[in-house]
Amino acid sequence: AQSVAQPEDQVNVAEGNPLTVKCTYSVSGNPYLFWYVQYPNRGLQFLLKYITGDNLVKGSYGFEAEFNKSQTSFHLKKPSALVSDSALYFCAVMRAGRRALTFGSGTRLQVQP
Amino acid sequence: GAVVSQHPSWVICKSGTSVKIECRSLDFQATTMFWYRQFPKQSLMLMATSNEGSKATYEQGVEKDKFLINHASLTLSTLTVTSAHPEDSSFYICSARAWRDPQETQYFGPGTRLLVL
Repeated sequence: AQSVAQPEDQVNVAEGNPLTVKCTYSVSGNPYLFWYVQYPNRGLQFLLKYITGDNLVKGSYGFEAEFNKSQTSFHLKKPSALVSDSALYFCAVMRAGRRALTFGSGTRLQVQP
Repeated sequence: GAVVSQHPSWVICKSGTSVKIECRSLDFQATTMFWYRQFPKQSLMLMATSNEGSKATYEQGVEKDKFLINHASLTLSTLTVTSAHPEDSSFYICSARAWRDPQETQYFGPGTRLLVL
């Protein structure tokens, strides 16, 4: 079975500082990993994904994530946070076979001005 | 590109009635669509996988007779909540995967908030 863990319910960071949102996964075989962002009362917006290739993946809005196979992690990062980045972030892993996503519990990012 | 719409965006209904939610891929063909449910301050839980032209595959614990899914075309899937009860109140989100997308990216609709009185 596949699973995703986001150990932090909330991350607080000051505007202009770097941010990291953590994600670890468990999946058999090679993982497909995704990050999505959700704003209040909205659906999910795709940020970035890792399928294969370079371990550092660059995505939308200046976000990037690093795939670390030995640590089974896929942490989301941004060099300089914006207040508008405040939202709920979900890490997800592709399930084998059915090709449906298994989501982590979500991490709320709060960027203070 | 890769836009998914849902209709309605919110609905309030009386207990015992049925509610239909539409999910459309606007600028791509989707052979597979997924239906998720999200409770307040919780993650998304997969309800079912909808494949064009075939029966949906439901997750364990999801009643297929209560949550009817139809995927009649490559751009439309519908979820019907039959005989809705207050405990069915939730945020329902669909996603679509593009035909022949080797990278398996799912694009999500904006969600439908259902309130059953």
